[in-house]
Amino acid sequence: SAVISQKPSRDICQRGTSLTIQCQVDSQVTMMFWYRQQPGQSLTLIATANQGSEATYESGFVIDKFPISRPNLTFSTLTVSNMSPEDSSIYLCSVANRGWRFFGPGTRLTVL
Amino acid sequence: AQKVTQAQTEISVVEKEDVTLDCVYETRDTTYYLFWYKQPPSGELVFLIRRNSFDEQNEISGRYSWNFQKSTSSFNFTITASQVVDSAVYFCALRVGSGTYKYIFGTGTRLKVLA
Repeated sequence: SAVISQKPSRDICQRGTSLTIQCQVDSQVTMMFWYRQQPGQSLTLIATANQGSEATYESGFVIDKFPISRPNLTFSTLTVSNMSPEDSSIYLCSVANRGWRFFGPGTRLTVL
Repeated sequence: AQKVTQAQTEISVVEKEDVTLDCVYETRDTTYYLFWYKQPPSGELVFLIRRNSFDEQNEISGRYSWNFQKSTSSFNFTITASQVVDSAVYFCALRVGSGTYKYIFGTGTRLKVLA
């Protein structure tokens, strides 16, 4: 298994600002993922982040809006840029370990 | 197409009642895995169970049980003698592919257990 922590756990932000979410894993993992869960909705994959390469974004998500860093095998950040109320969601970090996905506790973001 | 359907958007039961959450999946892969996750109000995803496509044996864990039927492409989850702490959103998920696996989540079922 993998133990994942995220910071912040929640935040309330103003429209037009940006927030960077951190994800830390207790072991080295090749693949990390970022998901968005809008209110009352299921999980949607934003992007896959491999260490040493640019993140791969899913349809509907772009790097300018959701820049991702993956500086090493245990850490990643997701930035939600130029936020609007529609960005209010839970953002979940996930890692792949031996083929299984493990999920972080999530960051609950509210944009006013 | 690969898809997970949780037709029940929200279920309310009274404490101590039994409740079954339905999950129907679609895939052409012969090897796949099915999962159930619990998401309490705090937001984290709690892993409950994993089942591979070759193992149709039902499983019981305390008050939880799972019924996997390939013939109907279903992987249903039953909570016996429900408790208020069971109130959460429950997600069914499907893992397909090889090498780079793809996880497909259902839309979730919100369970409310009333005291």
